[in-house]
Amino acid sequence: ILNVEQSPQSLHVQEGDSTNFTCSFPSSNFYALHWYRWETAKSPEALFVMTLNGDEKKKGRISATLNTKEGYSYLYIKGSQPEDSATYLCASYSGGGADGLTFGKGTHLIIQP
Amino acid sequence: EADIYQTPRYLVIGTGKKITLECSQTMGHDKMYWYQQDPGMELHLIHYSYGVNSTEKGDLSSESTVSRIRTEHFPLTLESARPSHTSQYLCASSEGWEQPQHFGDGTRLSIL
Repeated sequence: ILNVEQSPQSLHVQEGDSTNFTCSFPSSNFYALHWYRWETAKSPEALFVMTLNGDEKKKGRISATLNTKEGYSYLYIKGSQPEDSATYLCASYSGGGADGLTFGKGTHLIIQP
Repeated sequence: EADIYQTPRYLVIGTGKKITLECSQTMGHDKMYWYQQDPGMELHLIHYSYGVNSTEKGDLSSESTVSRIRTEHFPLTLESARPSHTSQYLCASSEGWEQPQHFGDGTRLSIL
């Protein structure tokens, strides 16, 4: 995998349901994997920065896991709420470029009441 | 509360004009970045800076230029705007790759 890929591209989830989505990234020269939440008309907000294989991070109802050997990360949202509606971006850092990130296209999540 | 500021938020302007997009941060971060996003596409790194008087081009080729005369200020300039420059531009700063990047609200640029 040369690029960062996210799936699905968009997702409709009923309020109260749990959901998850995937980020695939190049496993060679891996340094870090970032997750951001981007709400409409706002700036991207950092959720997690993960560096170690097997890392799991949690922030409220949102959690993420990391597998650096196979190059994927999952983001989980438990008990989705309308305020979770946003685009979720993942980005990898593979060295160089003053720590500039390579982003995926994002997963657009819509929570339906 | 934003610690990184971009102006303007929106700009519609004619072809051939010189444009400067402003970006300032109050966190004292040495590393700053400009990303460009076309509709439905990824954010692409177009410029970055390690600190004062340091600027480099990113992964995506861009006709824009940047300067870093002060730590807190990282403006992006288009000398002669063209319709192909129509896009969203986001500025960010960070302490390093293990730390999250802080983003501004972005500038939506439309060249007629």
